[in-house]
Amino acid sequence: GIQVEQSPPDLILQEGANSTLRCNFSDSVNNLQWFHQNPWGQLINLFYIPSGTKQNGRLSATTVATERYSLLYISSSQTTDSGVYFCAVSIGAGNNRKLIWGLGTSLAVNP
Amino acid sequence: DGGITQSPKYLFRKEGQNVTLSCEQNLNHDAMYWYRQDPGQGLRLIYYSQIVNDFQKGDIAEGYSVSREKKESFPLTVTSAQKNPTAFYLCASSTTRTGLAGGPLAKNIQYFGAGTRLSVL
Repeated sequence: GIQVEQSPPDLILQEGANSTLRCNFSDSVNNLQWFHQNPWGQLINLFYIPSGTKQNGRLSATTVATERYSLLYISSSQTTDSGVYFCAVSIGAGNNRKLIWGLGTSLAVNP
Repeated sequence: DGGITQSPKYLFRKEGQNVTLSCEQNLNHDAMYWYRQDPGQGLRLIYYSQIVNDFQKGDIAEGYSVSREKKESFPLTVTSAQKNPTAFYLCASSTTRTGLAGGPLAKNIQYFGAGTRLSVL
């Protein structure tokens, strides 16, 4: 089946630093999503980005579907950015549509 | 408020006991999903349902059962056959219809509940 690999697995930043998280996937997908899980476990969708570039405040994401990777950029990081960032790709169609998840990048932003 | 409600927040199971985790959504979403998350791990799909009265097994369905009698509800039962049930369980929903991008009706974006932490006594 399709493989979703995220890097780095762990990241420690000083507040104000920038970072880039990467997601590689091994086959064609319907779409790709980035999620943030806060330290209490709540998962929030950040981007729905099958291709191209999107920006939302200090976060932006780029997916190059033909080369099977996506990047999540965090600029001017804040302590509230801490948590785990997941990449998930959608496969299947109709009633068999589902997400395949990477193992995540655990980010800690220190004050 | 529109959203997904999971209950209870914490649950303890005794040996040989079946327990049921509740998931309710008022987003009018067609699809609902159950995931299991173990410490330091990603999400693994247990069951999913794209329409009422139909559901599919995910990657780790053994020891679990679900029902989808109503669009709003997708309860998960952890049976006594699940020998290692201690985990964080997350429910999600999404719509398969085209809607406003970025809003709760945005197609195929999964929205999550706050989760249930299950432990074995």
